[in-house]
Amino acid sequence: GAGVSQSPSNKVTEKGKDVELRCDPISGHTALYWYRQSLGQGLEFLIYFQGNSAPDKSGLPSDRFSAERTGGSVSTLTIQRTQQEDSAVYLCASSYGGLGVSPLHFGNGTRLTVT
Amino acid sequence: QQQVKQSPQSLIVQKGGISIINCAYENTAFDYFPWYQQFPGKGPALLIAIRPDVSEKKEGRFTISFNKSAKQFSLHIMDSQPGDSATYFCAASTTNSNSGYALNFGKGTSLLVTP
Repeated sequence: GAGVSQSPSNKVTEKGKDVELRCDPISGHTALYWYRQSLGQGLEFLIYFQGNSAPDKSGLPSDRFSAERTGGSVSTLTIQRTQQEDSAVYLCASSYGGLGVSPLHFGNGTRLTVT
Repeated sequence: QQQVKQSPQSLIVQKGGISIINCAYENTAFDYFPWYQQFPGKGPALLIAIRPDVSEKKEGRFTISFNKSAKQFSLHIMDSQPGDSATYFCAASTTNSNSGYALNFGKGTSLLVTP
């Protein structure tokens, strides 16, 4: 079946612009995560959704970052007034159960470049 | 701060050799320790995971060794193959949802298996 789908795969934007990144999780997966991967820095947790609610937003680096999930499915990560330090690969993952119960299935990410 | 420390940063192994990657953690509340494999341009994929109630878990050529008292765990890849060349991430988390939902990743090890 289809895996986690992310779009766009690449995004180049000018500093100060807003961007929206989209994630389509695996059908039936209630848990959805956003991570950020910077070169040599591993994966940094951003936010977790269970259904449409986000019980853990602790990883969002600033108030320029926000995310929503609708219909228990598609999620959008929005970065306002982008900065050069926002350049990274943004990864979405979904799972059907909690951590340790079922594995995270990652998409291939959106590579964001802020010029 | 980095909750999971991973070493080495890069590793070159000859075909047929053993690849060993090490990780250490501080938070004794962590009770789930997965390893993820990532190929260029792809999202990470779960390779193998362990809970602290066992000291070793083996799946095919991949083995996790876990030392609870030392707060260390390692991945061993036996009979390494060129197709194993990828970036490997260790991770750790608590499965207690009251402590959040973040899977804490190491910074990754780039493995190259030479023919």
